[in-house]
Order: sequence, then C-alpha cells, then structure tokens
Amino acid sequence: DTAVSQTPKYLVTQMGNDKSIKCEQNLGHDTMYWYKQDSKKFLKIMFSYNNKELIINETVPNRFSPKSPDKAHLNLHINSLELGDSAVYFCASSLDTALHFGNGTRLTVT
Amino acid sequence: GQQVMQIPQYQHVQEGEDFTTYCNSSTTLSNIQWYKQRPGGHPVFLIQLVKSGEVKKQKRLTFQFGEAKKNSSLHITATQTTDVGTYFCAVPDDGGTSYGKLTFGQGTILTVHP
Repeated sequence: DTAVSQTPKYLVTQMGNDKSIKCEQNLGHDTMYWYKQDSKKFLKIMFSYNNKELIINETVPNRFSPKSPDKAHLNLHINSLELGDSAVYFCASSLDTALHFGNGTRLTVT
Repeated sequence: GQQVMQIPQYQHVQEGEDFTTYCNSSTTLSNIQWYKQRPGGHPVFLIQLVKSGEVKKQKRLTFQFGEAKKNSSLHITATQTTDVGTYFCAVPDDGGTSYGKLTFGQGTILTVHP
C-alpha cells in the first residue's frame, strides 16, 4: 500500500545515455512534483504538475522532460545524461501543502 | 524567488542532549513546514505552522513560528539515536496556494552519539 512509489531505486548509466524514472501515487492527490537532491542534501524543485498540467518549470536544462499521462503518474525522462546529473531524484505529491515523497531514485552517471 | 536560511548545517550531540535548528526568512511567510529525512530515506512531513507566535509539540519535538512570521525553530529535548537525520524547513514561494512551489532550507544534519 505504498503511497508514492518511484522506479527504479538505483540507476547507474554512462554519460550521453537517455534514461527515465517513473512515479505513481495512490493518494488521490492532484499535484505531483520532481525534486532533485544533490550530494550536500540540498533539495530543489524541478517540476510540478497539477491535474496533468505543468505549473512549475524551474530553470532545468531542456534535456529533462517530465510527462504526466494522468494525475496519478509523473515520469521524468532525461536525455544525454551528464556527470552533473548524478543526484537523488524524488517524486512527491500533495493535496494541500504537505508533500508526500517517494523513496527516491539514486542516479549515478559515469 | 523565496529564500530561507537554515542553521546550523551540522549538529553533533550526545544522546540525552537537546538540539535546535533555526530557519530565517527576510520576508513574511504565510506558513512554514518541517520535514525529517533519515539517512538513506526520503523527507517525511512533520508539521506545518501558520499562525504568528504558534508553538506546537510532538512528543519531544517543539516547533515555533516567530511573531513576525519570518523565523521558525525546531527543538528536540533529550535526543535519542532515533532522532538522527536531516531536518529541513520549507516555505511556500507564492503566498501558500495549494500547489505552490516549496523552497527548502539547506537542512541541518543531526548526529547523535550514544
């Protein structure tokens, strides 16, 4: 009965590759997010969708493309991976203001 | 965008000692949230403060929102090893609408020595 689940948990890939991370929430929330956490634990929002509509798009390279097929799913596709993309990516959802985070995907680009 | 400063960055305590982390904003906040992230885990929502001067308690944790709604603190009394983790404050960037952007503080990493 996981609330916010994302896959994969770990992703190790080489520079230049394209990869996707998937996220699903079963909480019935309208809003979903992607956050990036760097090696210093700093959490920064990347994207936010409300009812499948993109509402927040931070200054993120256009190699990152989110897609929300329905309000329970928010995927993140990354093209031409770079070393600096290595981080933990968290999916989250919210109904009011409190965020419910997934377990994270640790992306390592070599 | 909204900015919030969180201090200290690290705190090492002996089990049984108290711990406090502080968040400060240059602007008045509509609300502030606190999250805890265990090592290797994900951030977990602890509480939201909305009212000026508000004080809320959760067992050994005490959360305060400043009178001017520009600062907040999280205090843990008599820390235990289970308190280990990173504590984040988070503030809305857009007046607190339900799907607004949350800006997180830098986090305070707490280690507790048994």
